[in-house]
Amino acid sequence: DAGVIQSPRHEVTEMGQEVTLRCKPISGHNSLFWYRQTMMRGLELLIYFNNNVPIDDSGMPEDRFSAKMPNASFSTLKIQPSEPRDSAVYFCASRPVAGGTGELFFGEGSRLTVL
Amino acid sequence: GENVEQHPSTLSVQEGDSAVIKCTYSDSASNYFPWYKQELGKGPQLIIDIRSNVGEKKDQRIAVTLNKTAKHFSLHITETQPEDSAVYFCAAYEGGSYIPTFGRGTSLIVHP
Repeated sequence: DAGVIQSPRHEVTEMGQEVTLRCKPISGHNSLFWYRQTMMRGLELLIYFNNNVPIDDSGMPEDRFSAKMPNASFSTLKIQPSEPRDSAVYFCASRPVAGGTGELFFGEGSRLTVL
Repeated sequence: GENVEQHPSTLSVQEGDSAVIKCTYSDSASNYFPWYKQELGKGPQLIIDIRSNVGEKKDQRIAVTLNKTAKHFSLHITETQPEDSAVYFCAAYEGGSYIPTFGRGTSLIVHP
């Protein structure tokens, strides 16, 4: 398997623009997570899905952030409008089992820079 | 909710030395403690884990120990090599939760 695939790897945009980050989880995995990593706050969980259903989005910073999982093989994280403080590395991770404490498989991340 | 503290934030060692990273957690019902390694430009990857019914687990040069009474667990790397240089994250699963709480990470630098 190719692992979790994220795109784009790097995104540079200007404040106020819409940003869409994409994730393809490992085939057969039933949970999907979106994390944000910054020096100040470390790894923060933004939202996670079980079987394509959003379970907990309490980590989403504000209404400018939204996430969808229209099917088992694709998820998006959208920021509209983007702000400089959104600059971070965004990781998508998947896990085989919806419940349980199994290993999270991370993608290589999308580095976002908002000017 | 669970709170995980990780120390030190940076650790610099000479090749061949040992490295120890420590984490404490707050929820006494936490039952699973994984460690992830993040290399530059990559996502975190699981390297070892331990469950609450075990006190120690080893895998070649890495080991993890767990002290449930004191609510802390540690990662031990022996005979460090330059390729061990990375950021290491500990995590804990709050009792009844399927979501990990991560520590802030430790940047390990192994000097040749």
